[in-house]
Amino acid sequence: EIVLTQSPGTLSLSPGERATLSCRASQSISSRQLAWYQQRPGQAPRAIIFHASSRATGIPDRFSGGGSGTDFTLTISRLEPEDFAVYYCQQDGTFGQGTKVEIK
Amino acid sequence: QVQLQESGPGLVKPSETLSLTCTVSGYSISSGYYWAWIRQPPGKGLEWIATIEHNGNTYYKSYLKSRVTIALDRAKNQFSLTLRSVTAADGALYFCARFTGPCFDYWGQGILVTVSS
Repeated sequence: EIVLTQSPGTLSLSPGERATLSCRASQSISSRQLAWYQQRPGQAPRAIIFHASSRATGIPDRFSGGGSGTDFTLTISRLEPEDFAVYYCQQDGTFGQGTKVEIK
Repeated sequence: QVQLQESGPGLVKPSETLSLTCTVSGYSISSGYYWAWIRQPPGKGLEWIATIEHNGNTYYKSYLKSRVTIALDRAKNQFSLTLRSVTAADGALYFCARFTGPCFDYWGQGILVTVSS
């Protein structure tokens, strides 16, 4: 079973700053299988990136994804107040443990 | 607009069976895609539990497989989760979701299940 390890566990940043989140797979995976989700407090997760780099419908272009093989990244170019949340990567039936992006 | 809504008991006794239903609107579950259950213990991350294809094929988290059943009710446009012999560790927020292959694109709001006597 593939394990997805996200880092860092918590990212403390200010609005307007750039956030870079990492997701590392225990073995090489197809980029077509890698997705990212945002979960705000009290809400269900929302898909923001699929196929490692494609934005889901309605997701602003400050969100971008990249990577291949075992290393994937989610970048938020300029943090807006609504972007402070927990982010998960996912491949098939496996989720990473999450990265919390909090206000510094 | 596709919508999913979980329903079921919020409280289950230890060793008993948890049964949850997900009602789907705006899309026929028989038309395609996969339908899944995912849970989240309080303050923790997401854990996939089970998935069922529109044609009835099922997939389960390996360590839960002996206690879990996922099923479709095409007539009601619903799918269900049955989890047997629950313990406190099964207490969580349970989500149902649609899986398109690339990602889980539609989610229910979640239902909180507590396991306690």
